[in-house]
Amino acid sequence: GQQLNQSPQSMFIQEGEDVSMNCTSSSIFNTWLWYKQDPGEGPVLLIALYKAGELTSNGRLTAQFGITRKDSFLNISASIPSDVGIYFCAGPDSGGTSYGKLTFGQGTILTVHP
Amino acid sequence: NAGVTQTPKFRILKIGQSMTLQCAQDMNHNYMYWYRQDPGMGLKLIYYSVGAGITDKGEVPNGYNVSRSTTEDFPLRLELAAPSQTSVYFCASSLTAPPYEQYFGPGTRLTVT
Repeated sequence: GQQLNQSPQSMFIQEGEDVSMNCTSSSIFNTWLWYKQDPGEGPVLLIALYKAGELTSNGRLTAQFGITRKDSFLNISASIPSDVGIYFCAGPDSGGTSYGKLTFGQGTILTVHP
Repeated sequence: NAGVTQTPKFRILKIGQSMTLQCAQDMNHNYMYWYRQDPGMGLKLIYYSVGAGITDKGEVPNGYNVSRSTTEDFPLRLELAAPSQTSVYFCASSLTAPPYEQYFGPGTRLTVT
């Protein structure tokens, strides 16, 4: 089946630093989704990307849909302590009717030191 | 709108016991999903539903059952609980696909001892 590989697996940064993470696949995706999971909570959708090359922002977050359709990137500018959590990328299963099923990456754990 | 709600938030079961995890959404979404998340791991799909009366297996369905009698509710049943079912369970819903955005509930943390 499809797999999404996220890197890095974890990041330890100082407050105020910028963050970059990415998600790659061996197969093509037509949609990329980025979620954030706060400790003890469910994932929350941050950004959805639907077109190759698309660049979309949500506050201090910017995500890009790679032109090869096999990767996506998430950047966080000027990190703050509440950015702590796990960031997941996800894309819809391919082949036939997927019924909206998503494949999730294993997540990038972000820790922000004040 | 409350979005996706799940009950209970926490539960401890003994081996062999059964329970039902409740999930409800008030967004009139057609598609609903159950995931489990083990420590340090991503989300694995247990079961999903594309509408009332229609359900299908996901990646890890063994030991679970679901039903969907209404658009709003999608309960997950655990029969004969086993330690391997210790996990955090998330319910999610989406309107249609595409678009593929799924909205998640707060989760149920289950421990089987």
